[in-house]
Amino acid sequence: AQSVTQLDSHVSVSEGTPVLLRCNYSSSYSPSLFWYVQHPNKGLQLLLKYTSAATLVKGINGFEAEFKKSETSFHLTKPSAHMSDAAEYFCALTPNTGNQFYFGTGTSLTVIP
Amino acid sequence: NAGVTQTPKFRVLKTGQSMTLLCAQDMNHEYMYWYRQDPGMGLRLIHYSVGEGTTAKGEVPDGYNVSRLKKQNFLLGLESAAPSQTSVYFCASNALGGTGYSYNSPLHFGNGTRLTVT
Repeated sequence: AQSVTQLDSHVSVSEGTPVLLRCNYSSSYSPSLFWYVQHPNKGLQLLLKYTSAATLVKGINGFEAEFKKSETSFHLTKPSAHMSDAAEYFCALTPNTGNQFYFGTGTSLTVIP
Repeated sequence: NAGVTQTPKFRVLKTGQSMTLLCAQDMNHEYMYWYRQDPGMGLRLIHYSVGEGTTAKGEVPDGYNVSRLKKQNFLLGLESAAPSQTSVYFCASNALGGTGYSYNSPLHFGNGTRLTVT
């Protein structure tokens, strides 16, 4: 079975402080994992993806994520939050068989000035 | 490059009415998907297509039908709208992966259609 759990529905950080958005996954296969960002009234935009190459993945806008198989986690981090980072973030999984994607329920990030 | 375009952006229907949502992509992608997004539930797959003329059911297909007559277009139909279908609908597409599956290829999303059924 495949599933994605985003451990926090809301995260609030001050501008300039680190961001940590947590994602755990369950997969019967070695998965590909993705983080997407959604700004208000927009579609989802790809931040980064892990596809069994390097376990530390760098994405756009200074975001990174580390694939930890032993912990079945794929947490998203950024060293210093910017006001423009305020958005909804989704973790997603696709097993390396078939073509379905499984999404977490999202984490809303608030950045306090 | 437009990417994935959804029309309309907004729509209000009365219970029992029908409508069709149109998705168009200009990236020559094989795979196309329809999702609905509801608060606290993330994205749920309604139907998807692995190529022109083929469709398959996703997680929540009831009350919806789809068609993919042309590779670049994927239509989502509601034959008799219900208030439970009030949602934001997203179309997405991606390309074939290296071994024939799409799993390594990220989804490209449209900006969504906000549907209200009263």
